[in-house]
Amino acid sequence: EAAVTQSPRNKVAVTGGKVTLSCNQTNNHNNMYWYRQDTGHGLRLIHYSYGAGSTEKGDIPDGYKASRPSQENFSLILELATPSQTSVYFCASGEGPGNTLYFGEGSRLIVV
Amino acid sequence: GQQVQQSPASLVLQEGENAELQCNFSTSLNSMQWFYQRPGGSLVSLFYNPSGTKQSGRLTSTTVIKERRSSLHISSSQTTDSGTYLCAMAHDTNAYKVIFGKGTHLHVLP
Repeated sequence: EAAVTQSPRNKVAVTGGKVTLSCNQTNNHNNMYWYRQDTGHGLRLIHYSYGAGSTEKGDIPDGYKASRPSQENFSLILELATPSQTSVYFCASGEGPGNTLYFGEGSRLIVV
Repeated sequence: GQQVQQSPASLVLQEGENAELQCNFSTSLNSMQWFYQRPGGSLVSLFYNPSGTKQSGRLTSTTVIKERRSSLHISSSQTTDSGTYLCAMAHDTNAYKVIFGKGTHLHVLP
């Protein structure tokens, strides 16, 4: 069964609304990541975490917050969603720095 | 900033042909990985290959640290190989940050 699960898989949000994307992993990995994937840009790192209670900024953190309340869960929060945040978001987990990443199925977000 | 360049951006093959996908890095190479993504799908790890050559079935990955490059060779391509191939590496000053190339879009015709 899938070791990294994301919810929701699809979401339509209104501009200015709050969106929370959730990620759960059963790999018992310390590191978790949030990426967004857009045509022409590939995968870009938004936030990552070393473990429960930690969140770190990636390459494009503006407009996003992250929360890691436990080893298993890592959330991405859009406090005030904008149309430019329309994208596919992927969560991943990894055992250690630079180790193999394991991805979830992705969450497709449309902000109207 | 640190960059990961993939080539070609897209590739069309006849079934049975071989393919060579390239990944080049602007800084020293760390913890090289190759992923496969089906259209509209998630990413699946193909190789974790920080150096040297690794093979899995029809796929071979070769990483040359001194030359800051890695390649993925697909032999005897099949239509089911169609999709996007992405390479990634750990940031040279922060290995927790994994950076991706934009991918090579492969289409194998029957």
